[in-house]
Amino acid sequence: DGGITQSPKYLFRKEGQNVTLSCEQNLNHDAMYWYRQDPGQGLRLIYYSQIVNDFQKGDIAEGYSVSREKKESFPLTVTSAQKNPTAFYLCASSIPPSRRGISTEAFFGQGTRLTVV
Amino acid sequence: AQKITQTQPGMFVQEKEAVTLDCTYDTSDQSYGLFWYKQPSSGEMIFLIYQGSYDEQNATEGRYSLNFQKARKSANLVISASQLGDSAMYFCAMREAPTYTQGGSEKLVFGKGTKLTVNP
Repeated sequence: DGGITQSPKYLFRKEGQNVTLSCEQNLNHDAMYWYRQDPGQGLRLIYYSQIVNDFQKGDIAEGYSVSREKKESFPLTVTSAQKNPTAFYLCASSIPPSRRGISTEAFFGQGTRLTVV
Repeated sequence: AQKITQTQPGMFVQEKEAVTLDCTYDTSDQSYGLFWYKQPSSGEMIFLIYQGSYDEQNATEGRYSLNFQKARKSANLVISASQLGDSAMYFCAMREAPTYTQGGSEKLVFGKGTKLTVNP
């Protein structure tokens, strides 16, 4: 079955360490997104990518980095520069609006809950 | 800049009754799309319904309908005949149409959500 897989489901990080969250999709989608969710804050966009080898900063990119070397994969690295990384992270993908119009919905993974200990 | 406002942090409804979840948006674009997602306690995001800015009819999907009032910039979600399984967080989201000058706006921006509780 096609879908988006995020791993791990739970992740613990010591302060000062970098950690990478995995996101893989087999939907053949060009566009991929990373969101951060905090209680009462909704989903905030960290980074998004429209095609391979290209990505743009979202609204809260500081302290995060991404790569898009393959169409299927969009890993997110939470660096030590991110002061408050404890949150729920969601990855999503979609067919770009430029190809199908703006009606295309985004499909989400199950999320990774990151906790700094 | 895009902005989505959901003014109801929490809502309660009796089973089998209808409920309306509010969403207002702010955009200067004429072409945009509005989405509603459901997030159960498990954390997954489930797409519910879509409304395009040029759609003349309000969108409907089973028990979900979208009350779209373009002049007021509101896109309220109506859930009819509520069920216990409808208890979840609900998010309104918007995407503006990409333009050649901007190189395409792929951003899908979300509101802060409304927590719906369905009581038996």
